[in-house]
Amino acid sequence: AQRVTQPEKLLSVFKGAPVELKCNYSYSGSPELFWYVQYSRQRLQLLLRHISRESIKGFTADLNKGETSFHLKKPFAQEEDSAMYYCALRGRGGSEKLVFGKGTKLTVNP
Amino acid sequence: DVKVTQSSRYLVKRTGEKVFLECVQDMDHENMFWYRQDPGLGLRLIYFSYDVKMKEKGDIPEGYSVSREKKERFSLILESASTNQTSMYLCASSLSLAAPNEQFFGPGTRLTVL
Repeated sequence: AQRVTQPEKLLSVFKGAPVELKCNYSYSGSPELFWYVQYSRQRLQLLLRHISRESIKGFTADLNKGETSFHLKKPFAQEEDSAMYYCALRGRGGSEKLVFGKGTKLTVNP
Repeated sequence: DVKVTQSSRYLVKRTGEKVFLECVQDMDHENMFWYRQDPGLGLRLIYFSYDVKMKEKGDIPEGYSVSREKKERFSLILESASTNQTSMYLCASSLSLAAPNEQFFGPGTRLTVL
């Protein structure tokens, strides 16, 4: 079964501090992992995906197959990073279904 | 730019009413999805469709049905609304199995069932 776990419901940091949002997954095959973000009063949107190995808005995430993790990191948090973050998994093999974690609400304090 | 629109931002219905939530996408996407979003529960997939007239159950289909008569439109139907269906409903679409499968989301419909 596919499962995504985000252990922190809430995360609060100060501006300029490093931030790490945790994501662990359970999947027997080789998954695709994503981070989606929802800013206040905006629609949910893709932040980054592990296949692209890109940095978006200063965020990076590395897929660690050994630890089955896909943590989202940023070295210096900004106030505009405050949002709801969802980790999501898609199993390879043709299904378009995404399995989402329960989300972590990040608050960056001034 | 992909645009996914939902017919209502806010909706208030009474218990037992039949409720229709409409979603339209304008980018010729093959796949469309309905989720509900609840605090502490994240996004849960209700139904999805990978082609016109095709549908598959998601994780929580009970109490819901869907209709996809045209490629661009995907409707979620609550046959007899109940108070536990009060939630934020999100529609999404994605291109195809053969392409990067970013899902594009609509703005959401906040449904309250009294």
